[in-house]
Amino acid sequence: DSGVTQTPKHLITATGQRVTLRCSPRSGDLSVYWYQQSLDQGLQFLIQYYNGEERAKGNILERFSAQQFPDLHSELNLSSLELGDSALYFCASSAPLGERTDTQYFGPGTRLTVL
Amino acid sequence: AQKITQTQPGMFVQEKEAVTLDCTYDTSDPSYGLFWYKQPSSGEMIFLIYQGSYDQQNATEGRYSLNFQKARKSANLVISASQLGDSAMYFCAMRDLASSNTGKLIFGQGTTLQVKP
Repeated sequence: DSGVTQTPKHLITATGQRVTLRCSPRSGDLSVYWYQQSLDQGLQFLIQYYNGEERAKGNILERFSAQQFPDLHSELNLSSLELGDSALYFCASSAPLGERTDTQYFGPGTRLTVL
Repeated sequence: AQKITQTQPGMFVQEKEAVTLDCTYDTSDPSYGLFWYKQPSSGEMIFLIYQGSYDQQNATEGRYSLNFQKARKSANLVISASQLGDSAMYFCAMRDLASSNTGKLIFGQGTTLQVKP
């Protein structure tokens, strides 16, 4: 158990819908990262938050948005869902920036299926 | 741009034998970190081992060791005494340590390892 929790574990929805994925980082970790794993794209970095502020953006679609709350949990919102959004979405957390190893610990993931 | 290459889509190893999973990387930054993660069929991503670009010695964590050859830009994972539970997908990843603003990881395509009894 990495200490990172994600809910829900599975999500099945229809095209055009909107869903919210939730992540709680390890105790004490300030950074939260979101990644998408799909068969054709592999593991792709989406976005990073550090202590409530957006720190870096990767290949995140405009239909997707995220935020990190004062209690450091994070939510990833996916809207106007398309079939191609079906993937495993991971949240990861790491210790405060500046620690060289800065290892990211991953949650169990949310498997999203868009029908 | 940074890139991670894992050229072995799938590998087999006999139980109790050692196996090496290849990883080459490309970066122009002098300061970077290399990570290996394991993804069993259940889907979770498990951190295995870390190697910093300035580390003098190869990293080791139990049965895992990293064969780090900086000049060749390779960071191969060695698993000794393979166990059935080692059957999984293995990902090599890199992080640019020079940029303190982001810790995003860049992943390779992964190698599926199957351990035979």
